[in-house]
Amino acid sequence: SQQGEEDPQALSIQEGENATMNCSYKTSINNLQWYRQNSGRGLVHLILIRSNEREKHSGRLRVTLDTSKKSSSLLITASRAADTASYFCATVSGTYKYIFGTGTRLKVLA
Amino acid sequence: DAGVIQSPRHEVTEMGQEVTLRCKPISGHDYLFWYRQTMMRGLELLIYFNNNVPIDDSGMPEDRFSAKMPNASFSTLKIQPSEPRDSAVYFCASSSSATGKVRETQYFGPGTRLLVL
Repeated sequence: SQQGEEDPQALSIQEGENATMNCSYKTSINNLQWYRQNSGRGLVHLILIRSNEREKHSGRLRVTLDTSKKSSSLLITASRAADTASYFCATVSGTYKYIFGTGTRLKVLA
Repeated sequence: DAGVIQSPRHEVTEMGQEVTLRCKPISGHDYLFWYRQTMMRGLELLIYFNNNVPIDDSGMPEDRFSAKMPNASFSTLKIQPSEPRDSAVYFCASSSSATGKVRETQYFGPGTRLLVL
């Protein structure tokens, strides 16, 4: 199955800085979601943006979507050590099939 | 709610042995998904069920893999015989269509880390 590509693959920043990660996908979508995975744990849903939306905010998270470029970005502002995790985008098309990206490993240094 | 429950959390077995992974979805959820996660291939959807019926098993790698959902609160993923390349983390996730949310979020279990020697 096709997968989204995320970049960077890994990101290391200082606490308090902003973290931006990007996701590109290949097919038309119903919505795009971002998930977080802490080491040794399952994925946790963070935020969803629909195909007719361009930007969404939730707390320190900001998501943008550009359907013409088939890309999305996730911005985490004022990062904390607890934000250290892997972040995945997931696209959902007409069926209930989720396609996950390759993930970005974020490390926030205290 | 306890969330999605998976067992065992870790499994080490020898090549050729049968492996059975178990999942209990969140009560009331009518969709159940099995995923496999590896460094090389990322997170792959293996199969998903709706109301206990398999809907799409196109991601199941080969005949050695089988999945069942005998009732709304239990599913198994079986590998027989297992091979070293099956080593991965296997996740179960569930979702509910009751509020039209099945396309909007999935709830993941903690995963089963499988090592086939």
